[in-house]
Amino acid sequence: DTAVSQTPKYLVTQMGNDKSIKCEQNLGHDTMYWYKQDSKKFLKIMFSYNNKELIINETVPNRFSPKSPDKAHLNLHINSLELGDSAVYFCASSQDTEYEQYFGPGTRLTVT
Amino acid sequence: GQSLEQPSEVTAVEGAIVQINCTYQTSGFYGLSWYQQHDGGAPTFLSYNGLDGLEETGRFSSFLSRSDSYGYLLLQELQMKDSASYFCAVRDHGQAGTALIFGKGTTLSVSS
Repeated sequence: DTAVSQTPKYLVTQMGNDKSIKCEQNLGHDTMYWYKQDSKKFLKIMFSYNNKELIINETVPNRFSPKSPDKAHLNLHINSLELGDSAVYFCASSQDTEYEQYFGPGTRLTVT
Repeated sequence: GQSLEQPSEVTAVEGAIVQINCTYQTSGFYGLSWYQQHDGGAPTFLSYNGLDGLEETGRFSSFLSRSDSYGYLLLQELQMKDSASYFCAVRDHGQAGTALIFGKGTTLSVSS
């Protein structure tokens, strides 16, 4: 059984487009996250959601918007894509504690 | 704010022991986590130290000294499959933070 899944795995799109990445977890966890990993493997938190409430919103452009229809899903919508948005985006989840997180397989976004 | 320092690269041979150090600076400390990430894969949780001392899980051990703001991951009996990036992480101290702040990662290369 897949614990944290993301779709799509690869996403190639042009500048200015709008795209979404979906994430689902079947672990029953209360908190979900989105991370961005750049080409230097630097992993940076973008958002976290607990019980459908946004807890953290880092210095992320408002072109990025997380949407959580229920506790098991946290989707990431990106407007007006830019070249610098090219990265691998990871969804993760945790229960009760933040130090042990379960990551999805990642979505490699390439903006041309 | 938070910052974590770890070596960028470490090389070793099969069967050897390697130690990956991590020093941190945080405004509030809730423990140190370690994650492993293989190329093209997702970060996976390895260990957590909330208190000083050594935590052992099979071939991997993790150590924490809160007074020194220092921890390390010790990998014993190295195998080729241990070639990966290793990240230390601390809890974000945001407004209501439960996300993790990751170090920049240490790339471990194990050769035969």
